[in-house]
Amino acid sequence: GQQLNQSPQSMFIQEGEDVSMNCTSSSIFNTWLWYKQDPGEGPVLLIALYKAGELTSNGRLTAQFGITRKDSFLNISASIPSDVGIYFCAGQLRGGSNYKLTFGKGTLLTVNP
Amino acid sequence: SQTIHQWPATLVQPVGSPLSLECTVEGTSNPNLYWYRQAAGRGLQLLFYSVGIGQISSEVPQNLSASRPQDRQFILSSKKLLLSDSGFYLCAWSPSDNEQFFGPGTRLTVL
Repeated sequence: GQQLNQSPQSMFIQEGEDVSMNCTSSSIFNTWLWYKQDPGEGPVLLIALYKAGELTSNGRLTAQFGITRKDSFLNISASIPSDVGIYFCAGQLRGGSNYKLTFGKGTLLTVNP
Repeated sequence: SQTIHQWPATLVQPVGSPLSLECTVEGTSNPNLYWYRQAAGRGLQLLFYSVGIGQISSEVPQNLSASRPQDRQFILSSKKLLLSDSGFYLCAWSPSDNEQFFGPGTRLTVL
């Protein structure tokens, strides 16, 4: 079963606001990934993190690999309506199968214009 | 560049009918391939994965099966659909053991 706790479950914000979401686990992860899923489509990879402490940006998105290797966060700055969607964290569990990812349950983001 | 295709995009099937969903990847060789199901409520459930032709690992016991007849083709099947098989089916590929890239999905409704 899933071992990632993703929060918040949902967010309703105003356009222009910053957003922060995170994933935590009791287990150590080797890799953290963040995906965005638009309604009716497949998830799209936003950011991939491979080293503890790594901070990576992709436009208005910034994600960090926690120093303990047990958490990661994703920030979105100056949100716009097209940021609406479900954001998933995912990770490769240390000591687990090299072929499988563990997924969080997602954060549903709604942006009010 | 690599692309992943799924078809059909949507499917409505009666209970007890068979199922075949197809996934193909272009622009890469020997990818790892995955089938996920996403029920309403968002979570992604891994159903099957394959690291090579004819090699299938099942994650959840159910009435679904998967096959990989060619390097870049992954098929999800059922002999008799159940109501509970309704959902959004996603295929994904991975070049190695980290990032996975998803297809557009197939919306299956079983009536």
